[in-house]
Amino acid sequence: AQSVTQLGSHVSVSEGALVLLRCNYSSSVPPYLFWYVQYPNQGLQLLLKYTSAATLVKGINGFEAEFKKSETSFHLTKPSAHMSDAAEYFCAVSGQAGTALIFGKGTTLSVSS
Amino acid sequence: DADVTQTPRNRITKTGKRIMLECSQTKGHDRMYWYRQDPGLGLRLIYYSFDVKDINKGEISDGYSVSRQAQAKFSLSLESAIPNQTALYFCASSRGSYEQFFGPGTRLTVL
Repeated sequence: AQSVTQLGSHVSVSEGALVLLRCNYSSSVPPYLFWYVQYPNQGLQLLLKYTSAATLVKGINGFEAEFKKSETSFHLTKPSAHMSDAAEYFCAVSGQAGTALIFGKGTTLSVSS
Repeated sequence: DADVTQTPRNRITKTGKRIMLECSQTKGHDRMYWYRQDPGLGLRLIYYSFDVKDINKGEISDGYSVSRQAQAKFSLSLESAIPNQTALYFCASSRGSYEQFFGPGTRLTVL
């Protein structure tokens, strides 16, 4: 069975600061891992995905994530936060056997000027 | 046009009423999903379907039912709505185990 834990339900950064959103997963099979973003009053949009290719994955809007099997982690980072990055971020895991995505509880990112 | 559409976008109903939420996708995906989102709880899977003849219960299926009318259509029903089913509901689709594409959501309020 798969599970996802997002550490920190709320992260606050200043504009221009590093963004780090943490995600740890549990999976009995090699996982597919995803980060989604949800802007206010919108649906979820895929930021990036890991599907067993390169362990450092680059996504949209300057975000990237690194798959670390030894740490069972898939943390999301961005070197310099913008005000427009304020949103809720979800980490998700899927087993290759074809189960549905399992989502973490989300992390709300606030960016102050 | 959106790839995954949901109707209605907003719905207010009363306890005990039957409600159907509809979802359509134009991406040709084989898999479709229903989730509900509650503050602090993230997205929880209600039902999912890997093809027209395959329906599976998710984490929180009690009180819900689904119908996969065609590859492109997947509806969610609340047979007798109750207030704790007030939530934001999302439909999604995918090709195999690849990323899911989400609809814009349906905000349901049960009074």
